[in-house]
Amino acid sequence: QSALTQPASVSGSPGQSITISCTGTSSDVGVSNYVSWYQHHPGKVPKLILYEVVNRPAGISYRFSGSKSGDTASLTISGLQAEDEAHYYCSSYSTISTVILGGGTQVTVL
Amino acid sequence: QVILVESGGGEAQPGGSLRLSCAASGFPFRDYLMHWVRQTPGKGLEWVSSLRYDGIKEFYADSVKGRFTVSRDNSKNTLYLHMNSLKTEDTAVYYCAKDSGYRDWVLWDFDDWGQGTLVTISS
Repeated sequence: QSALTQPASVSGSPGQSITISCTGTSSDVGVSNYVSWYQHHPGKVPKLILYEVVNRPAGISYRFSGSKSGDTASLTISGLQAEDEAHYYCSSYSTISTVILGGGTQVTVL
Repeated sequence: QVILVESGGGEAQPGGSLRLSCAASGFPFRDYLMHWVRQTPGKGLEWVSSLRYDGIKEFYADSVKGRFTVSRDNSKNTLYLHMNSLKTEDTAVYYCAKDSGYRDWVLWDFDDWGQGTLVTISS
């Protein structure tokens, strides 16, 4: 099963909102509410920022929000800040391969 | 505070074997499904394997099925990944991660991560 499809890069200016898409199939994102998102700064450990599509773990900023429609999940970062510059990965439970991750999206703050 | 510490990484030749360990503390290890996730050089994250809280049910990515075996010792709060028939494409940083669910309520996410251990497969 191929990786979930994410754009390679997304950019925005400070204060703007950006959205990262994560497209799967009817075997994963389309049928699962177990969609999660991770922020990964170079040289650091990935951090869970959303789980079960829309839920934020304790300590994660309200600026991160999630949604899902059909086979596509989305992560929106509002009020973009310099510290948000990182790689972002989506992940989903899959009825075929148990867990499938996206290829990652580099977010650049202009 | 959840702490996960991986060890056992290093260099091996193609066809060789390694055993990774993940020592857990700060939470009731025996109540949580655990995962292994890897990041290959210059590439993204790849889920490798998961093991149910009681060790009864194992899950593997197709890329490692038949070569890797996941296990755990709940009395030692430790997760293992036994890697056999290693390939150059197994070169990666291997992370263990905790699911945020509890027992049979699995959320298939990676809530807390260790620092990772580097595995290099080269002849």
